[in-house]
Amino acid sequence: EPEVTQTPSHQVTQMGQEVILRCVPISNHLYFYWYRQILGQKVEFLVSFYNNEISEKSEIFDDQFSVERPDGSNFTLKIRSTKLEDSAMYFCASGPSRANTGELFFGEGSRLTVL
Amino acid sequence: GEDVEQSLFLSVREGDSSVINCTYTDSSSTYLYWYKQEPGAGLQLLTYIFSNMDMKQDQRLTVLLNKKDKHLSLRIADTQTGDSAIYFCAQSEGNRDDKIIFGKGTRLHILP
Repeated sequence: EPEVTQTPSHQVTQMGQEVILRCVPISNHLYFYWYRQILGQKVEFLVSFYNNEISEKSEIFDDQFSVERPDGSNFTLKIRSTKLEDSAMYFCASGPSRANTGELFFGEGSRLTVL
Repeated sequence: GEDVEQSLFLSVREGDSSVINCTYTDSSSTYLYWYKQEPGAGLQLLTYIFSNMDMKQDQRLTVLLNKKDKHLSLRIADTQTGDSAIYFCAQSEGNRDDKIIFGKGTRLHILP
C-alpha cells in the first residue's frame, strides 16, 4: 500500500542551525502539507502546497520556514535558524484532492530536538 | 480562532464500548474527522462525517454529531486491545479546504 515516508525519523540540532526535513508523498497525490506537534500540544497546521506553490500557511510559518518540491518526488521543509521552541514532531501529509474530504495521508513524523 | 477540544485520556475494559468526545468552535466546517495514531505511526483517517449528517456508522465505529452543541463523539463498540491508540478529533476550517484543525488527541488505554 502506498505510504508517505519521512526522513530523518529523529534529528537533534543546535540552536541556530539549519534543518531540512524530507518527505516523499504518495506518487499520484497533488496536495502536500506540513503539520507539527509540540509535545503535549495539538497537531498544528503549518503549510499547504499545491501546483508548486504555497496555497495556505499559518502564522507559525514565518520567514524562518520554507518548503520546496525540488523534484517530482520530494517535499521538504527547511527551518533556517532553529530555535528551542521549534522542537516538535513534524508530520508531512499528502492528498489526492483537497483536504476537506478527509483524504489526507500522513507520514510517521520526524522528531526535531533543538538544544 | 478555531479550536478543537478533547479529553486527554480514556481507559476502557476490553469488550466494553469506548466513547471519545470532542467539542469544536467552527460551526461552518464542512467535514469533521476522527484520526487514529498508533505508536510509532503517522495519523490515519479513521472516519469522517459531513456536517449535514447527525450520525455515521461503520462496523464497530459510530460517529455522532450535534451541531447545535458543536459536539462530536466517536463510539467504538466491543473495544479490543488493537484499538489502543491516540484518537484525534479534527475539523476542516470552514469552507477553506486547505486546513484541518486538530485537537490534542485522546489516548485510549485498554484494560484487560
